[in-house]
Amino acid sequence: QVQMVQSGAEVKKPGSSVKVSCKGSGDTFTSHTISWLRQAPGQGLEWMGRIIPILDVGKNAQKFQGRVTVTADKSTGTVFMELSSLTSADTAVYYCAKSTGAGGYYYALDVWGQGTTVTVSS
Amino acid sequence: VLTQSPGTLSLSPGDRATLSCGASETVNSRHLAWYQQKPGLAPRLLIYDASNRAPGIPDRFSGSGSGTDFTLTISRLEPEDFAVYYCQQYGVSQYTFGQGTRLQIK
Repeated sequence: QVQMVQSGAEVKKPGSSVKVSCKGSGDTFTSHTISWLRQAPGQGLEWMGRIIPILDVGKNAQKFQGRVTVTADKSTGTVFMELSSLTSADTAVYYCAKSTGAGGYYYALDVWGQGTTVTVSS
Repeated sequence: VLTQSPGTLSLSPGDRATLSCGASETVNSRHLAWYQQKPGLAPRLLIYDASNRAPGIPDRFSGSGSGTDFTLTISRLEPEDFAVYYCQQYGVSQYTFGQGTRLQIK
């Protein structure tokens, strides 16, 4: 059974950066993509970016261009999401999720991490 | 843009639930998914490609539709089905989510 385990909650100051990790088990590091999404308190889901770990190829949502970096460490089976220039609007639960299919196409997301709460406060 | 309706649906266990998701443009190849989310938990994939149930999803959940109009039907509500449901479009360039429908106990 594939599982994805995320790092713990973070509290950050405005203007700083946060880096969240997502460690996969099983075959999560085949050619399937790993996406990052977030959910602000009481709000819906928002896709931020993704990476194909085996190819180290990624793409970010236009809204987050220049502010989000998604990387992968194939040796440890871990994907990272770093978000910079934090403001209070970035306070949210951040999720990693695996696509159902392989390759560059966008597929449904069938395995999710447990979520990481990031709080931005002065 | 995906628009879900209604925003909130109040029903009783045993009822039939019909949730709608409308797209501003045609969804190619019926690439639409439905997710269920309970408080404090990550979303769970229910339906992909508009009508295919994900592994382990009970057959009371069904998806239908094409083009710009899609529906998630729960044939007979169980107590554990009361949650928020999101539709999601996928395909060539990015992911887009609807704003969600809250299914609550009447």
